[in-house]
Amino acid sequence: EVQLVESGGGLVRPGGSLRLSCAASGFTFTHFAMNWVRQAPGKGLEWVSTITLSGITTYYADSVRGRFTISRDNSNNTLFLQMNSLRAEDSATYFCAKSRYGVGDADFDSWGQGTLVTVSS
Amino acid sequence: QSVLTQPPSASGTPGQRVTISCSGSSSNIGTNYVYWYQQLPGAAAKLLIFRNTQRPSGVPDRFSGSKSGTSASLAISGLRSEDEADYYCATWDDSLSGPVIFGGGTRLTVL
Repeated sequence: EVQLVESGGGLVRPGGSLRLSCAASGFTFTHFAMNWVRQAPGKGLEWVSTITLSGITTYYADSVRGRFTISRDNSNNTLFLQMNSLRAEDSATYFCAKSRYGVGDADFDSWGQGTLVTVSS
Repeated sequence: QSVLTQPPSASGTPGQRVTISCSGSSSNIGTNYVYWYQQLPGAAAKLLIFRNTQRPSGVPDRFSGSKSGTSASLAISGLRSEDEADYYCATWDDSLSGPVIFGGGTRLTVL
């Protein structure tokens, strides 16, 4: 059974940093692209970032490009999201999601339960 | 405001058939697969329809997807109370630098 468990969320001041992690199990991590999707309180889903199988190629939403960095540790089946220069509008629950195959699609077949990030002074 | 347009709300009575639309453009729905996600209250999203019309194993055949041109639809037949949830369409957009896009979501109420 696929399991994705996010961690690292919390309260941070504007301009601060957080690093989110997503521990993956139940599938061959190196065979699939991985993603972060967020949801602000009471709002819809917003795609944040995608990383390819090898980690060489990454994609970002315009709203986070230059501030967030996605990465993966294929040896430890873990996905990361380094978030810098955080803003109030980054406050959201961040979900880790597994792609069915590679990139080029919005095909996310498994999701974690999310970790809450609150940016506030 | 999302590049993909969904009605903010929809409703139906048990047993009815409801349809949720998703309107896009030639650079997204017009040339790429559409996906539908269901998000029950307080839960993570779940893939409901992939590649326009396909259902993952475990998704009842009451749920069906279709696509025509730059629009897509999700139909739910034999509506049940447990179908009350938020529904999102999603696709890849060839013209955007941040290429994955979700619709704004449709809240389905079962009356």
